[in-house]
Amino acid sequence: SQTIHQWPATLVQPVGSPLSLECTVEGTSNPNLYWYRQAAGRGLQLLFYSVGIGQISSEVPQNLSASRPQDRQFILSSKKLLLSDSGFYLCAWRGYRSGANVLTFGAGSRLTVL
Amino acid sequence: AQSVTQLGSHVSVSEGALVLLRCNYSSSVPPYLFWYVQYPNQGLQLLLKYTSAATLVKGINGFEAEFKKSETSFHLTKPSAHMSDAAEYFCAVSGEGGYQKVTFGTGTKLQVIP
Repeated sequence: SQTIHQWPATLVQPVGSPLSLECTVEGTSNPNLYWYRQAAGRGLQLLFYSVGIGQISSEVPQNLSASRPQDRQFILSSKKLLLSDSGFYLCAWRGYRSGANVLTFGAGSRLTVL
Repeated sequence: AQSVTQLGSHVSVSEGALVLLRCNYSSSVPPYLFWYVQYPNQGLQLLLKYTSAATLVKGINGFEAEFKKSETSFHLTKPSAHMSDAAEYFCAVSGEGGYQKVTFGTGTKLQVIP
């Protein structure tokens, strides 16, 4: 079966410090991978998606970047964090399940920038 | 273009009462519709999905939703609320195909009062 892992689960970082959040998927190959950010009252905002190694699409201009160095690894990064980068970051992969392409989410990484 | 509107950011029901969470969508193509549930500090879990096979969709934990094209709605219901149903619920819309973007609503927090 497919599983998705995110780490770290919780992170507290000072403004201006770098960031690296990692996501890995097991049990599938060549998955479509996604990074979402969740802020209170604003639902889920799609940040990046990837359809293959080295292929990254950005949905919104921002202080973050993403990379996909391996087929099942998706990394969210920043060189210098801003206060506004605080939030709950969710990685997801999309697979076909019973007639639809369904997003499956990781447990999330909560980032607090102080 | 596609969008989802969830009416009511917070809904409170008594234990044993009917749960009704509202979702209206807009889509330029025949939509796939989803409901996800999120428990505190966790990722999103798929409750149910509509893929045009049947307008009444049954999901996990006793939830169901009915697709009404004339009303562009996909409301989530459960006949009798349980304390464990307290969570945040997200409606989402997508077109057919794994390359299609998934757009989420802003979420509805369900409180169950004993």
